[in-house]
Amino acid sequence: QQQVKQSPQSLIVQKGGISIINCAYENTAFDYFPWYQQFPGKGPALLIAIRPDVSEKKEGRFTISFNKSAKQFSLHIMDSQPGDSATYFCAASRPSSGTYKYIFGTGTRLKVLA
Amino acid sequence: KAGVTQTPRYLIKTRGQQVTLSCSPISGHRSVSWYQQTPGQGLQFLFEYFSETQRNKGNFPGRFSGRQFSNSRSEMNVSTLELGDSALYFCASSLAGSTDTQYFGPGTRLTVL
Repeated sequence: QQQVKQSPQSLIVQKGGISIINCAYENTAFDYFPWYQQFPGKGPALLIAIRPDVSEKKEGRFTISFNKSAKQFSLHIMDSQPGDSATYFCAASRPSSGTYKYIFGTGTRLKVLA
Repeated sequence: KAGVTQTPRYLIKTRGQQVTLSCSPISGHRSVSWYQQTPGQGLQFLFEYFSETQRNKGNFPGRFSGRQFSNSRSEMNVSTLELGDSALYFCASSLAGSTDTQYFGPGTRLTVL
């Protein structure tokens, strides 16, 4: 019940295409869903995040779609660029002992072909 | 502001030894979390410290411990190292935890032989 299942494990997209990464969770106590981007040799960096009271959030070329009833959320990268090639992690968190406890997906390695 | 720093960046140890990793958070950040990253398991939460107190803990054995100092710097210790402890270890700092943005350090790669 604590897991966050992420798919696909890897993704190859042509430049200008749309990259879509999906995550599913089971614990309805999760109430904050961030996405992180990680480049090789670097730590993850927050990309965009959403709460379950909205169904979509857009920041530039990055959009989170959230389906509360299906307990799924996804990251869409529009007009994908070679510079977007990185590993993407979804996460879910819930309040615990006065703060939040994060559960991460296993990651999706995205490669955007020039 | 300087980012999160972690030392050392690379470590090689043998089974049975112990290791201490260090993390300096962004100035003003009081929450420090530690994560283990492995190819198969992704990022797994170890523990979080806030104002020198452990506020949250993941599902790791007691061999993994940590502490936080009054200047918010944090250390993580792993005793009796096992081969399976080989991983990237990240710390992340945030202002006060909760849903404040977590800023990750560059990580420490631990190899256990």
